[in-house]
Amino acid sequence: DTAVSQTPKYLVTQMGNDKSIKCEQNLGHDTMYWYKQDSKKFLKIMFSYNNKELIINETVPNRFSPKSPDKAHLNLHINSLELGDSAVYFCASSQRLAESYNEQFFGPGTRLTVL
Amino acid sequence: AQKVTQAQTEISVVEKEDVTLDCVYETRDTTYYLFWYKQPPSGELVFLIRRNSFDEQNEISGRYSWNFQKSTSSFNFTITASQVVDSAVYFCALSRYTGNQFYFGTGTSLTVIP
Repeated sequence: DTAVSQTPKYLVTQMGNDKSIKCEQNLGHDTMYWYKQDSKKFLKIMFSYNNKELIINETVPNRFSPKSPDKAHLNLHINSLELGDSAVYFCASSQRLAESYNEQFFGPGTRLTVL
Repeated sequence: AQKVTQAQTEISVVEKEDVTLDCVYETRDTTYYLFWYKQPPSGELVFLIRRNSFDEQNEISGRYSWNFQKSTSSFNFTITASQVVDSAVYFCALSRYTGNQFYFGTGTSLTVIP
């Protein structure tokens, strides 16, 4: 059973398009995250949701909009894609937000390439 | 502000050598948590270990060991008798007492040469 799954695994698209990445976790966790990993492997938090409520919203362009229909899903929609959006996007989840000792479980990543 | 520094960008070792990956962190919090993750060439991020700031005991798990020293704000990771399968990027991360926001280091890319 896949704990944290993301679709698609690869996404190649043209500049200016709008695309979405979906994430689902079957671990019963309350908190989900989106990270961006650039070409130098640097991992940066983008968003965090706890029980469908936005908790962390780092400085990312407002072209990026997360949506959490329920606590098992956190999708990422990107409008007007730019070349600089090319990266690997990771979804993650963890148990209760207040318990910071909980490790985060990561999805397999979505490699986005903007042409 | 929280910060994690992994000064070693890339390390290459020959199989069976021991290797230590350094991690230095900055925080003003008295309670915090430290983590190590492995990212093999396949790309997924795999949790390795968690340590809280009150537990300075070193930990050993098979060929892996971790040395946590609050006095030097370091949480180093040693692989003994390295193997080719250890080739990966290793990330150290810090989490504050509340909020579970991870602050990742920039990662150390380890290559084990057969």
